[in-house]
Amino acid sequence: AQTVTQSQPEMSVQEAETVTLSCTYDTSENNYYLFWYKQPPSRQMILVIRQEAYKQQNATENRFSVNFQKAAKSFSLKISDSQLGDTAMYFCALLIQGAQKLVFGQGTRLTINP
Amino acid sequence: DAGVIQSPRHEVTEMGQEVTLRCKPISGHNSLFWYRQTMMRGLELLIYFNNNVPIDDSGMPEDRFSAKMPNASFSTLKIQPSEPRDSAVYFCASSPRRTNYGYTFGSGTRLTVV
Repeated sequence: AQTVTQSQPEMSVQEAETVTLSCTYDTSENNYYLFWYKQPPSRQMILVIRQEAYKQQNATENRFSVNFQKAAKSFSLKISDSQLGDTAMYFCALLIQGAQKLVFGQGTRLTINP
Repeated sequence: DAGVIQSPRHEVTEMGQEVTLRCKPISGHNSLFWYRQTMMRGLELLIYFNNNVPIDDSGMPEDRFSAKMPNASFSTLKIQPSEPRDSAVYFCASSPRRTNYGYTFGSGTRLTVV
């Protein structure tokens, strides 16, 4: 079975600061995909970034980047120059290649303070 | 595309009543997923369909829960009879059948059973 663990229930930083959210996962599979989803107060689940496990290069989307450490089964999200609109719950998720079930972590509530 | 459309956005009902949640997936997506989100248990996959056929309903908590997908553009999740512990946000999501790009989520239905 696959599991995803987010050890930080809540985080808070000042606007413009950089923040890193942690995620670890467990799977015996070699081919898989990792995701970070954002859930703002509007409740909508929004895909932030995606990483393919067979790629060593870390994914980047504008101010969002990941640090993917396959051997350590770690997948952290870095948000640079944080903005008030980044305030949300952030979920880490795992999808095994060929499977369809997206397994989520418990989430980290991130607050960006003005 | 309008995205995944769920209705209603909010539902308040009395214990014992039947509740029906509705979902319209993205056109062309042939996989549909129902998730439940609670503070205690996070995001749980209840059931998913491929080409309108239920594939895995192992996450459905009890016989009081049922889901149908009569055609490619519509699915329902029914709870009968409802109980206060069913109070949660219910998400519908869709994806192409073979995808490694995660899902597209609807805005969710917040269900409150009093």
